[in-house]
Amino acid sequence: AQSVTQPDIHITVSEGASLELRCNYSYGATPYLFWYVQSPGQGLQLLLKYFSGDTLVQGIKGFEAEFKRSQSSFNLRKPSVHWSDAAEYFCAVGPNDYKLSFGAGTTVTVRA
Amino acid sequence: DAGITQSPRYKITETGRQVTLMCHQTWSHSYMFWYRQDLGHGLRLIYYSAAADITDKGEVPDGYVVSRSKTENFPLTLESATRSQTSVYFCASSVEVGRGNTEAFFGQGTRLTVV
Repeated sequence: AQSVTQPDIHITVSEGASLELRCNYSYGATPYLFWYVQSPGQGLQLLLKYFSGDTLVQGIKGFEAEFKRSQSSFNLRKPSVHWSDAAEYFCAVGPNDYKLSFGAGTTVTVRA
Repeated sequence: DAGITQSPRYKITETGRQVTLMCHQTWSHSYMFWYRQDLGHGLRLIYYSAAADITDKGEVPDGYVVSRSKTENFPLTLESATRSQTSVYFCASSVEVGRGNTEAFFGQGTRLTVV
């Protein structure tokens, strides 16, 4: 069975500071891994995904994530956050693009 | 308007009633999906469809029915609503799946409350 754990329910970060969101997954084979962002009242938007190749993945809005097979992790990072990055972030894993299991989400608050 | 739209955005219904949530996309994407989002669970796949007249169960299909007579529409029906089906429902569509070079586009969601 596949599953995702996002250990941090809520993170507060200062504007301009770096951000790292943790994601640990459980999956038997090489997974598809995703990070989505959800702004209040909106649907989900894909930030980035990994399915093969370079383990450091670049996404939109200045985000990147690194796939570490040995640690079963796919942490999301951004070097300098902007107030507009305040949102909820979801990590997801699956055998393909659509049969995904999502984590419970991490809410990011950005303080001035 | 182009994109993926869900209706209604908000719905309150009574236990035992049938309710249908609508999803419409203008891209002619082959794949469409229904997820529910609950606090502490993230999103869970209810049903998906690979094309018109082709549907399959996801992780939590019980109590739900879907149909897809036209490529652009993918309605989700709760045959007899229960309080446990109170949730935010998201519809999504994707042009291709399984090759890593696709993206699922999500609607804005329908907040359903069953009283």
